[in-house]
Amino acid sequence: GENVEQHPSTLSVQEGDSAVIKCTYSDSASNYFPWYKQELGKRPQLIIDIRSNVGEKKDQRIAVTLNKTAKHFSLHITETQPEDSAVYFCAARLDKIIFGKGTRLHILP
Amino acid sequence: DTAVSQTPKYLVTQMGNDKSIKCEQNLGHDTMYWYKQDSKKFLKIMFSYNNKELIINETVPNRFSPKSPDKAHLNLHINSLELGDSAVYFCASSPGLAGGQEQFFGPGTRLTVL
Repeated sequence: GENVEQHPSTLSVQEGDSAVIKCTYSDSASNYFPWYKQELGKRPQLIIDIRSNVGEKKDQRIAVTLNKTAKHFSLHITETQPEDSAVYFCAARLDKIIFGKGTRLHILP
Repeated sequence: DTAVSQTPKYLVTQMGNDKSIKCEQNLGHDTMYWYKQDSKKFLKIMFSYNNKELIINETVPNRFSPKSPDKAHLNLHINSLELGDSAVYFCASSPGLAGGQEQFFGPGTRLTVL
């Protein structure tokens, strides 16, 4: 079955700098790659997603890139702000969604 | 106005007890899920139902029994609770089974087994 690896597990960046979170997946047939943000004590919420027929997608300060050949995808957050502090999950989907283990992002003042 | 709701929000109980968590979605979605999030924040799918029919049943102990009376509701009953069942349980829904569809999560139920 599908396996999703996510790195790093913890990431601290200075406010205003960029943050990058990377994921790899094992099943080349996976065709949908969402990213979820989970603030402390809250539910996971979708922030951006990408389908396998697209290489890059951007939404304001957030972008996701997908390399199907290498089976990896990344989340990029630019000009980070305190409210970006949260746990971020990547996921890959074929018949069901498999989540990575999460990255705890700390934005330092 | 809540899209996906769960009750209760908190559940504290003794080992060996039986408990239920309820989930309802008002989005008109066909597919509903139960996830378990442990203390390390790992999110793992447990079950998926599509139009009241069980689609995914991960390797979950048979002490866990989901029930979907209609496509807007998916409840989770747990028998003989164990310490290791302590976690946050999230219900979620999506429009259907097809890939590329956002999953909407409920607020979670924090289960503590003493």
